[in-house]
Formats: sequence, C-alpha cells, structure tokens
Amino acid sequence: GAVVSQHPSRVICKSGTSVKIECRSLDFQATTMFWYRQFPKQSLMLMATSNEGSKATYEQGVEKDKFLINHASLTLSTLTVTSAHPEDSSFYICSAPNRAGATTEAFFGQGTRLTVV
Amino acid sequence: GENVEQHPSTLSVQEGDSAVIKCTYSDSASNYFPWYKQELGKRPQLIIDIRSNVGEKKDQRIAVTLNKTAKHFSLHITETQPEDSAVYFCAASLSGYSTLTFGKGTMLLVSP
Repeated sequence: GAVVSQHPSRVICKSGTSVKIECRSLDFQATTMFWYRQFPKQSLMLMATSNEGSKATYEQGVEKDKFLINHASLTLSTLTVTSAHPEDSSFYICSAPNRAGATTEAFFGQGTRLTVV
Repeated sequence: GENVEQHPSTLSVQEGDSAVIKCTYSDSASNYFPWYKQELGKRPQLIIDIRSNVGEKKDQRIAVTLNKTAKHFSLHITETQPEDSAVYFCAASLSGYSTLTFGKGTMLLVSP
C-alpha cells in the first residue's frame, strides 16, 4: 500500500555541517510534498511545500537558503539542512497527499530526529 | 490563512470515561478535517476525518462532529483505554491535497 518512507530516522551532526533528509513515496506518486518541523511538545509547523519539477514554496520565517528542498522526481523529495546549528535540532517530518478514489489522505514519513551538537 | 485552535492542551481521564477534544477553524472555505494521533517520536497516524458535506462520522469508539456554521469540530473517544494515551492533533485544509493547518495538540492521558 501507499507509504512515505523517510530516512534517516535519527541523526546527530556537528554545528556547521549539513544534513540531508530523504522522503520517498512508495506505491504512489507524490507530486506534492509538505515538510514540517516539530519542536518538543509542540505542533507540526509547515516549513515548505515542494512540487515535483518546480521550486519549493517556503513559509514565512523559513530560510530557503538554509533549508534546501529538492523534488526532482515523483517519488523523492529531499530536505537539506545546511550549516546546521543547535537551534535547528528538531523533529522533521514530511507528508505527501495521495488520492485514492474519491478520498485523499496525507501520508507521513516516519520523521527524522535531528540533533546538532 | 487558516488558523486552527485546539482545546484542551492536556486531558486526563480514567479508563472507561469519554474524552472530547474541540477545535475551531477560521477559514470558511476549509472542507477537510482530519484527526491524528501521535505517539512520542513517531509519525502522526490518521484516526478519523470528516468532510464538510457531513455533520458526523463514527468509527467504533471514535466519532467526529462538524458544525460548519460555527466553524468547529470535535473528536469524541468513548470507553477510553490506556493505549489511547497520546497527543491528538486536529487539522483543517481546503482539500486533501492542500496544506494541512494543525491545531496545537492535546495530550490525552488515560489512567487505568
């Protein structure tokens, strides 16, 4: 069945380095991928929306040069956190809508726990 | 843009009691309202959703009601069990393909 697979599930990196997070849609084509960030005990906050073959749309306050999003294929979207800092430590999660008949459901990846030390 | 308010932020009930979580939304054009359950460190799981053409939907112990006029919707869990303990999020969007705007979440604790 339709699934969004996200990797890695956990990553620890040093300040100043970059981290790439991948989200793959399995058994469906993800023309749109939403990227969220979730701080502890808080809700999911939309960071950006990526559409296959075009530039991502970023939410206000999200630095596009820091959070690079690539959606080069219908099954893969990536988020790269560049020059990571401790304040970037968070739970990052992707979501892709999939239409099945008359309904559409949002499929979430497993999430990536990023810790910047 | 859409704004979703969710209450309460925490809810403690005894096993077997009912739990109700309420959300309001601001954009009258929103027509899709899913509810998610998220356990610590895991992805949100869709538990039930409702579209604006119906007022109530039920799935076993879980039900959702929608009042379009008042722009609010509620999650009802009956006969709660300890395994229902988690954070629950409501959300609203223009359609299943549009951006989901989430409420701040409700931490539900069901005590045995």
